[in-house]
Amino acid sequence: QKEVEQDPGPLSVPEGAIVSLNCTYSNSAFQYFMWYRQYSRKGPELLMYTYSSGNKEDGRFTAQVDKSSKYISLFIRDSQPSDSATYLCAMSLGGANSKLTFGKGITLSVRP
Amino acid sequence: DADVTQTPRNRITKTGKRIMLECSQTKGHDRMYWYRQDPGLGLQLIYYSFDVKDINKGEISDGYSVSRQAQAKFSLSLESAIPNQTALYFCATNAGRGTGELFFGEGSRLTVL
Repeated sequence: QKEVEQDPGPLSVPEGAIVSLNCTYSNSAFQYFMWYRQYSRKGPELLMYTYSSGNKEDGRFTAQVDKSSKYISLFIRDSQPSDSATYLCAMSLGGANSKLTFGKGITLSVRP
Repeated sequence: DADVTQTPRNRITKTGKRIMLECSQTKGHDRMYWYRQDPGLGLQLIYYSFDVKDINKGEISDGYSVSRQAQAKFSLSLESAIPNQTALYFCATNAGRGTGELFFGEGSRLTVL
């Protein structure tokens, strides 16, 4: 079993839809949970991060972490064509051991 | 200007040729990383360096070598390129504390014929 599993996709939704992206992980020591967004021909950029369990909201984006289930999610409300990108989940132990472990990424396409 | 700069952005080469991909950063971070990205496989860590004197192999280091010339410069070499090294390569940096957030360059697309 890979340390981080991510739904493979691709995912295509109409504009305005609610999108749910998910990852599961096996290492219970992970403390920081991140979502990166990667546009075509660009490097990944940090979209949101959450420390430990709970929710974090930023505009149309909500990140959820459930450490008891080892499950994280990213919700996108009122999705826009500009949200079309590859989304990668990533996790780290934090501190000096802060090397990231990535999911494989899922490509989202939002149709106008 | 980008904080993490990779050159070249695109390169086509032939099997057996030596290739060097270069990375420079202005973020002042000690830690630098090289990843490759393939469709369906995600990001795979090739090598990483926690400072100028520290080089570590990642998950897929075979066929690759690196050089950390300065705090700001980290290059990746393919001594004898082969077609299955065709991929998108990313350099990244981080501060080595806190969240572990990585800052990526824009990528170098390498095609080996």
